[in-house]
Amino acid sequence: AQSVTQPDIHITVSEGASLELRCNYSYGATPYLFWYVQSPGQGLQLLLKYFSGDTLVQGIKGFEAEFKRSQSSFNLRKPSVHWSDAAEYFCAGGDDYKLSFGAGTTVTVRA
Amino acid sequence: DGGITQSPKYLFRKEGQNVTLSCEQNLNHDAMYWYRQDPGQGLRLIYYSQIVNDFQKGDIAEGYSVSREKKESFPLTVTSAQKNPTAFYLCASWWGTEAFFGQGTRLTVV
Repeated sequence: AQSVTQPDIHITVSEGASLELRCNYSYGATPYLFWYVQSPGQGLQLLLKYFSGDTLVQGIKGFEAEFKRSQSSFNLRKPSVHWSDAAEYFCAGGDDYKLSFGAGTTVTVRA
Repeated sequence: DGGITQSPKYLFRKEGQNVTLSCEQNLNHDAMYWYRQDPGQGLRLIYYSQIVNDFQKGDIAEGYSVSREKKESFPLTVTSAQKNPTAFYLCASWWGTEAFFGQGTRLTVV
């Protein structure tokens, strides 16, 4: 079955430190890949997306993600986190009209 | 401004009652979706519709029903057959290569 997996349920990182969130996908062909962020009680905000071309994708809020076909991964990174980055992050994969989400990774930022 | 409107934001219902969640879009998108969000489980697809008068079951359709009589509207009914209806529900539309989300409805069944 086509799916997206986020191996880490919860990550704690110090403010100013780097952050990497993992995402693995299982699709027959290269899917559309997305990272979303959700603050408590809010809807989803798109951080970045990948369809084809350059495997390093730049997004909003200083985030970037790298598509690695050999590893079936699409990991999200940020060089230096801010306290406002504390939120839940979702990786999603889609083909045609169906979009599937990972279970999410909660990021806690400590001072 | 174009977007997806879900109403109400908070909804309370008694156990055993059916309840309908509204989702309206003015983006002129063909495809619309309903997701359910529970802590630690991400977003799970309930139903989706690619065109008016047609819809398909997602991964957790049991206890839910939908209709798609108009392109801009995709209401979700949570029936009394749904065992654990308390959750956060998100409606989305899809165009090209991007999904657009509403702000969600938090349903609490007491």
